[in-house]
Amino acid sequence: NAGVTQTPKFQVLKTGQSMTLQCAQDMNHNSMYWYRQDPGMGLRLIYYSASEGTTDKGEVPNGYNVSRLNKREFSLRLESAAPSQTSVYFCASSEMPNLPGRAQETQYFGPGTRLLVL
Amino acid sequence: GIQVEQSPPDLILQEGANSTLRCNFSDSVNNLQWFHQNPWGQLINLFYIPSGTKQNGRLSATTVATERYSLLYISSSQTTDSGVYFCAVEDNQGGKLIFGQGTELSVKP
Repeated sequence: NAGVTQTPKFQVLKTGQSMTLQCAQDMNHNSMYWYRQDPGMGLRLIYYSASEGTTDKGEVPNGYNVSRLNKREFSLRLESAAPSQTSVYFCASSEMPNLPGRAQETQYFGPGTRLLVL
Repeated sequence: GIQVEQSPPDLILQEGANSTLRCNFSDSVNNLQWFHQNPWGQLINLFYIPSGTKQNGRLSATTVATERYSLLYISSSQTTDSGVYFCAVEDNQGGKLIFGQGTELSVKP
């Protein structure tokens, strides 16, 4: 099993350009997540998908869109990149659906995508 | 929303020393996880520990849910333990992990 894979590993964009970050998991997990990591701020949730066909906003969704293409794949799109979106982006997945009051199992993370917006 | 605070923010150890990292959270939680981010940026799950104590080799973790804290113990530290340790909790609304700001550990040979 590859676990959680992300592409690309690195990307440089100019302000205003668009791009899509890809994420795939082969663990048959129901839930998938996108985080961004900035220095001194830990990881912050951008969007998540509790199950195939559903997506919800996290803590910092502005400037991003997501698509849960199928159970395996969850993509993150920047329509018009801004320098404030320079960050490291992590995708994660977990087995259990995120229902209120129901404890989740471990989230498994991909290797990350380093994005620089000039 | 729930607040997660980790201490200390950074720590320098000599190889072979022991250390304790702390995570405080402001409300009851369904889930608590410890992660290690190595110097290459890779995030690795260490423990899923909403309560109780678990051990894995030189690492162990204890969560006292009623008192809203968790501790990560690293014994006989090695240079490969260097990196940032994150605590993350899931609140009672379900689904979202809230991360602390991390403890940056540097183990010197």
